[in-house]
Amino acid sequence: GENVEQHPSTLSVQEGDSAVIKCTYSDSASNYFPWYKQELGKGPQLIIDIRSNVGEKKDQRIAVTLNKTAKHFSLHITETQPEDSAVYFCAASRSLNTGFQKLVFGTGTRLLVSP
Amino acid sequence: DAGVIQSPRHEVTEMGQEVTLRCKPISGHNSLFWYRQTMMRGLELLIYFNNNVPIDDSGMPEDRFSAKMPNASFSTLKIQPSEPRDSAVYFCASSPRPGDQPQHFGDGTRLSIL
Repeated sequence: GENVEQHPSTLSVQEGDSAVIKCTYSDSASNYFPWYKQELGKGPQLIIDIRSNVGEKKDQRIAVTLNKTAKHFSLHITETQPEDSAVYFCAASRSLNTGFQKLVFGTGTRLLVSP
Repeated sequence: DAGVIQSPRHEVTEMGQEVTLRCKPISGHNSLFWYRQTMMRGLELLIYFNNNVPIDDSGMPEDRFSAKMPNASFSTLKIQPSEPRDSAVYFCASSPRPGDQPQHFGDGTRLSIL
């Protein structure tokens, strides 16, 4: 089955710096890669996603890149702000014959943005 | 616009007791997912429903765990009897259709079994 590895496990940056979180996946059939942000006491919330037919996607300060050949994808946050502090999860999924897309999550990155 | 609603938010009970977690998916969403989050194992999918029917329960850890979806607006996850190793945060998520992303998560139930 799919295996998703995520690095680093913790990341500390100064406000205004950029942050990069990297994930690798094992199943070459995976075709959907979402990133979730989880704040303390809350459920994961989708912040950006990318499908396998696209190499890069950007939404304001957040961007995701996908390298299908190397089977890795990355989250880039520019101009970080203290409110970006949270745990970030990557995930990978592929369509199963039931039509279901099963998300397999990485282990999470705790991002701390210091003022 | 109401999201996925879970109850209770916190549950503390003694081992051996029955625990029932509840979930109301987003209206109009036909797919519902139960996840468990622990430090050791991260976020794991337990079971998935489509149109109220369980499709994949391969993630349910033991027979002590059961899930039902009696109608499109309500699901339960039950643990009987509960054990301390069941302590975790349990999330419910929903999406419009099986292959449709993203999944929208509730804020979870933090379960502690003493």
